[in-house]
Amino acid sequence: AQKITQTQPGMFVQEKEAVTLDCTYDTSDQSYGLFWYKQPSSGEMIFLIYQGSYDEQNATEGRYSLNFQKARKSANLVISASQLGDSAMYFCAMSLRGGATNKLIFGTGTLLAVQP
Amino acid sequence: GAGVSQSPSNKVTEKGKDVELRCDPISGHTALYWYRQRLGQGLEFLIYFQGNSAPDKSGLPSDRFSAERTGESVSTLTIQRTQQEDSAVYLCASSLNRGLNYGYTFGSGTRLTVV
Repeated sequence: AQKITQTQPGMFVQEKEAVTLDCTYDTSDQSYGLFWYKQPSSGEMIFLIYQGSYDEQNATEGRYSLNFQKARKSANLVISASQLGDSAMYFCAMSLRGGATNKLIFGTGTLLAVQP
Repeated sequence: GAGVSQSPSNKVTEKGKDVELRCDPISGHTALYWYRQRLGQGLEFLIYFQGNSAPDKSGLPSDRFSAERTGESVSTLTIQRTQQEDSAVYLCASSLNRGLNYGYTFGSGTRLTVV
């Protein structure tokens, strides 16, 4: 079965510190993509970062980096130098190739609170 | 348009009534997706349209739910005989291509409350 698991319902971090949000995935496909989205209280879904299953280097986008460990099927998000504006819900998601559907499968999310 | 537009942004309806939610994707985006997000939960896939291909309806929770899209334009999600468990935010997304990183852009959602 294809599944995304986020085991941390909530996380706290002090402003300016780094935080890691966990994500593990399950698929038998060799070709897939992994995403992280941010959802602030306003409800919009904001794309943060993408990692392809064949990418050898970990993806980075500014303060965001994706710690991709393929053998362990994990795709943790690392946010460096946390800011108050980082407080939001974070979702890990997976896309799969093949068939008629390219839907994203989402995890249940992690609520991050950045404290001053 | 510049982004994915959804309307209405909020809808309160009485149990048993039908509702229609609208999604206007980014111009040129061939793929369109509907998701449901219940309070405090993740996104649940409902339906996927790709160009003129038959849609993937595998996520629709019951036959009360249906969706239409004409070509690569606007889509409507219809919920008939609404129930309280239908209360959720309904998110629409569109994307340009069918690669693995197909650049989903989400709308702001329609918050549906069934009373």
